[in-house]
Amino acid sequence: KQEVTQIPAALSVPEGENLVLNCSFTDSAIYNLQWFRQDPGKGLTSLLLIQSSQREQTSGRLNASLDKSSGRSTLYIAASQPGDSATYLCAVEGFTGNQFYFGTGTSLTVIP
Amino acid sequence: SQTIHQWPATLVQPVGSPLSLECTVEGTSNPNLYWYRQAAGRGLQLLFYSVGIGQISSEVPQNLSASRPQDRQFILSSKKLLLSDSGFYLCAWSWDRGVNQPQHFGDGTRLSIL
Repeated sequence: KQEVTQIPAALSVPEGENLVLNCSFTDSAIYNLQWFRQDPGKGLTSLLLIQSSQREQTSGRLNASLDKSSGRSTLYIAASQPGDSATYLCAVEGFTGNQFYFGTGTSLTVIP
Repeated sequence: SQTIHQWPATLVQPVGSPLSLECTVEGTSNPNLYWYRQAAGRGLQLLFYSVGIGQISSEVPQNLSASRPQDRQFILSSKKLLLSDSGFYLCAWSWDRGVNQPQHFGDGTRLSIL
């Protein structure tokens, strides 16, 4: 069964710092990997989706990479801002269709 | 543009009471619909998904059920709630265009069982 792990569980950085969030998965048979942001008490907001044939995706200050063979993805946030404070989750879509496996997230705090 | 609505936002229910959570999507037709539960300190768990009216697939055996009476309406129900049903319930949709379609989530329902 697919297992998705996110390390660290929590991260605190000063404003302006570049940072990397990590996501690992045990089964490389995936269609894609998606990164989400979740604000406290809210639903998830989709940030980036990387298809299995792609190596990376970029949106603004965010860059996500995917190494399917090693079962890893990173989310790079450049020039972090206090508004980036949230929990970031990754999820993979398995080959069985409509199967999405989520990590437990990394809680990010950007200190002004 | 597409929007997804969930209600209620919060709910407090006694053990053994029934449950009905509703989710609707606007601005699209024939979406794939999903119900997830997020328990404290745990990742999202897919409970049900639906690819069309009346078509429900269950991922986890439990005392919950789901129904899709209309194309853009997805309902999560229970006849008798358990303490373990507490959690944050999220509804999501994606385009019905095969794989590699991002999921879009509602704001969730916080369910507390007393």
